[in-house]
Amino acid sequence: EDKVVQSPLSLVVHEGDTVTLNCSYEVTNFRSLLWYKQEKKAPTFLFMLTSSGIEKKSGRLSSILDKKELSSILNITATQTGDSAIYLCAVARYYGGSQGNLIFGKGTKLSVKP
Amino acid sequence: NAGVTQTPKFQVLKTGQSMTLQCAQDMNHNSMYWYRQDPGMGLRLIYYSASEGTTDKGEVPNGYNVSRLNKREFSLRLESAAPSQTSVYFCASNLEGSTEAFFGQGTRLTVV
Repeated sequence: EDKVVQSPLSLVVHEGDTVTLNCSYEVTNFRSLLWYKQEKKAPTFLFMLTSSGIEKKSGRLSSILDKKELSSILNITATQTGDSAIYLCAVARYYGGSQGNLIFGKGTKLSVKP
Repeated sequence: NAGVTQTPKFQVLKTGQSMTLQCAQDMNHNSMYWYRQDPGMGLRLIYYSASEGTTDKGEVPNGYNVSRLNKREFSLRLESAAPSQTSVYFCASNLEGSTEAFFGQGTRLTVV
């Protein structure tokens, strides 16, 4: 059975801290790994990773995929209160004619205190 | 750009009632999806449509039906709502060949 596991499930830090969120997966027909940020409403796209070892960066956020270890990390440096959200890891698999069929982890709830 | 639009945003149903959640996308995407999100469970796939005219079950299809009305629209129907279907429902879509999914704003459904 395909699964995606995120850790930790929740995390409380202070502004300025650096955090690392983890995602591991066991998925057949792997296509890519995606990170989303969810605040009040819909998940918003952060990164899509398909190749091992290539870091993707966007401002203070970065992510990397390790296909040998079947895992990914999301780093956030110099955290701000606006980073408080649930971070979702999802793996896209090729399934039933669709390449966007996503398996989600349960998410990591990040709280950044002033 | 509207992106993915879901209606309604909120709904309260009584057990046994039926309703249809509507989803439309204006990005000319081929594939569309319905997910539900429950506390501590992440998002789980209910049904998907890889292309116009096709639909398939996901992880948790029981109690739901879908219709891919045309390329833009994908609806989710609850024939006889149960309290276990209380959840937040998200519609998503993506381009053929892409794995990046775009999400609607969600429908918060409560079944009492």
